[in-house]
Amino acid sequence: AQSVSQHNHHVILSEAASLELGCNYSYGGTVNLFWYVQYPGQHLQLLLKYFSGDPLVKGIKGFEAEFIKSKFSFNLRKPSVQWSDTAEYFCAVNDLAGTASKLTFGTGTRLQVTL
Amino acid sequence: DAGVTQSPTHLIKTRGQQVTLRCSPKSGHDTVSWYQQALGQGPQFIFQYYEEEERQRGNFPDRFSGHQFPNYSSELNVNALLLGDSALYLCASSSPTLTDTQYFGPGTRLTVL
Repeated sequence: AQSVSQHNHHVILSEAASLELGCNYSYGGTVNLFWYVQYPGQHLQLLLKYFSGDPLVKGIKGFEAEFIKSKFSFNLRKPSVQWSDTAEYFCAVNDLAGTASKLTFGTGTRLQVTL
Repeated sequence: DAGVTQSPTHLIKTRGQQVTLRCSPKSGHDTVSWYQQALGQGPQFIFQYYEEEERQRGNFPDRFSGHQFPNYSSELNVNALLLGDSALYLCASSSPTLTDTQYFGPGTRLTVL
């Protein structure tokens, strides 16, 4: 079965620090990859996605992620975080083996940005 | 353009009871997926509905069932509630290709006492 690992459970950064959140998945076939964000009191929102093409994808609010197929990784990055980036971040994978677009999520990383 | 909506927002039930949660997909979407998010965990896939049929199911018991209506809205039913069913239940909608993107609703917080 597909699994997704997010190695950082809780990250605390000061404003303007750089961010990198790790995500690794297990499925060896064709995948679609996603990062979702859940701001306090809000619902899950799509941050960015990778389907094919350029492995470096850019999302909203200055976030980007790099797909490295050989490492089964899809790490999320931001050069300079803001206090408003405080949220929970989920990596998700949609393996295309079945007939439905089932998402498998990691356990999430809680990011706390301090002023 | 309304996003995915879910009702109710919160629900408190006791063990053994049954519950029905509702979801209306984003405009233009005809596929609905349900996820369970326990505290401190990522969402876990329950099942997906397309064309009023269950298209795929996750590792959840038969106590969890669903339905999709002709207008694409969906219900999630849970029978014989257990304490462990307490969670945030998320609905996501998408368009009908395999490479679609799922958009999530705000969820229903279910507490089982």
